[in-house]
Amino acid sequence: NAGVTQTPKFQVLKTGQSMTLQCAQDMNHEYMSWYRQDPGMGLRLIHYSVGAGITDQGEVPNGYNVSRSTTEDFPLRLLSAAPSQTSVYFCASRTGGGDNEQFFGPGTRLTVL
Amino acid sequence: DAKTTQPTSMDCAEGRAANLPCNHSTISGNEYVYWYRQIHSQGPQYIIHGLKNNETNEMASLIITEDRKSSTLILPHATLRDTAVYYCIVRVESGANNLFFGTGTRLTVIP
Repeated sequence: NAGVTQTPKFQVLKTGQSMTLQCAQDMNHEYMSWYRQDPGMGLRLIHYSVGAGITDQGEVPNGYNVSRSTTEDFPLRLLSAAPSQTSVYFCASRTGGGDNEQFFGPGTRLTVL
Repeated sequence: DAKTTQPTSMDCAEGRAANLPCNHSTISGNEYVYWYRQIHSQGPQYIIHGLKNNETNEMASLIITEDRKSSTLILPHATLRDTAVYYCIVRVESGANNLFFGTGTRLTVIP
């Protein structure tokens, strides 16, 4: 299993540009989520999904959109990039229900100029 | 989900036990204690979790006080590869997906 994969690893955008961060998992996990991590801070939840077709907002959802058309994929869209969105983005997945661990991807480092 | 308090940083000699404390005085009866770590800039890695009883796995041991207001993660024989930021998180097991990370403890293992 590849686990949780994220692309790209690095990205530089100009203010106002849009882009999609890709996340995929091959573990048939129901739950997927996106976090951002700013320097010296812990991770903050952006959006999450408990299954295909179901998404919800996390702690810091503004400026981001998500969709979940398949179990495997959970893309994160930046509608109009702002310098405040410069961060490292992590995608995670886990099985639904019960006490179980989250598996994290390697992250995407995004810089918005 | 309850908030946690951890020391900002700790050092540990290689080969010795690393004991990382966590206070969660407002924890509710149905909230679990989770520990994750983040090595350099990688994605966080699950270590262990528990509700009331002490837990042990191949990576670490988790000691939870009887009143559940604090816990300690123990790495029995720390190695240089254990240098990382360690996060203590409490969450309701029925919650959708929310891990609320604080700033964690930066553990440095010294040769």
